[in-house]
Amino acid sequence: EAQVTQNPRYLITVTGKKLTVTCSQNMNHEYMSWYRQDPGLGLRQIYYSMNVEATDKGDVPEGYKVSRKEKRNFPLILESPSPNQTSLYFCASSLQGGDEKLFFGSGTQLSVL
Amino acid sequence: KNQVEQSPQSLIILEGKNCTLQCNYTVSPFSNLRWYKQDTGRGPVSLTIMTFSENTKSNGRYTATLDADTKQSSLHITASQLSDSASYICVVWGMDSNYQLIWGAGTKLIIKP
Repeated sequence: EAQVTQNPRYLITVTGKKLTVTCSQNMNHEYMSWYRQDPGLGLRQIYYSMNVEATDKGDVPEGYKVSRKEKRNFPLILESPSPNQTSLYFCASSLQGGDEKLFFGSGTQLSVL
Repeated sequence: KNQVEQSPQSLIILEGKNCTLQCNYTVSPFSNLRWYKQDTGRGPVSLTIMTFSENTKSNGRYTATLDADTKQSSLHITASQLSDSASYICVVWGMDSNYQLIWGAGTKLIIKP
């Protein structure tokens, strides 16, 4: 089944403790992206990747890192999480990016205490 | 500046009734507009895309309209079902600082039996 898989679904952590949210897609998509979703706001893009070893900042990249060493994987790293990073995070992919249909993972609800 | 505005923020209707969700945008130039459905606890799923030249497009009980002159789109749901309870998100592909996806905050629709 074609899908984007994120893990974990739920994560509670404390300020400053490094964490990684994994994302994997099995559709051979070139483009992958991370979003955060907060109540009352639209999805905001954190980072995106057009291809392996090609990553770029989105609208809200501060406090986050990503890597794209393999086509299928695009992990999101929070080196020193802070409470304002408490949010619902989504990984998404599409064939080539741009205005193509995005396929989303099921989300990771992160709480930073 | 929020270039994609959705209304209402939330809506409660009885099962079997029809409803219309609105999306107004100020993005210019504009290329296309897509509607996503987001079930609670899941990632968004694309319902339909409206290009500049299209006025109406149907996908089962969902009908999207686009008026590029007034920069408005609507999503009409006919004979609502309990499974239609979700958030509906409008996203525009257009020019901000450069061509990008510009997301609305969504309309939360609740269908009551």
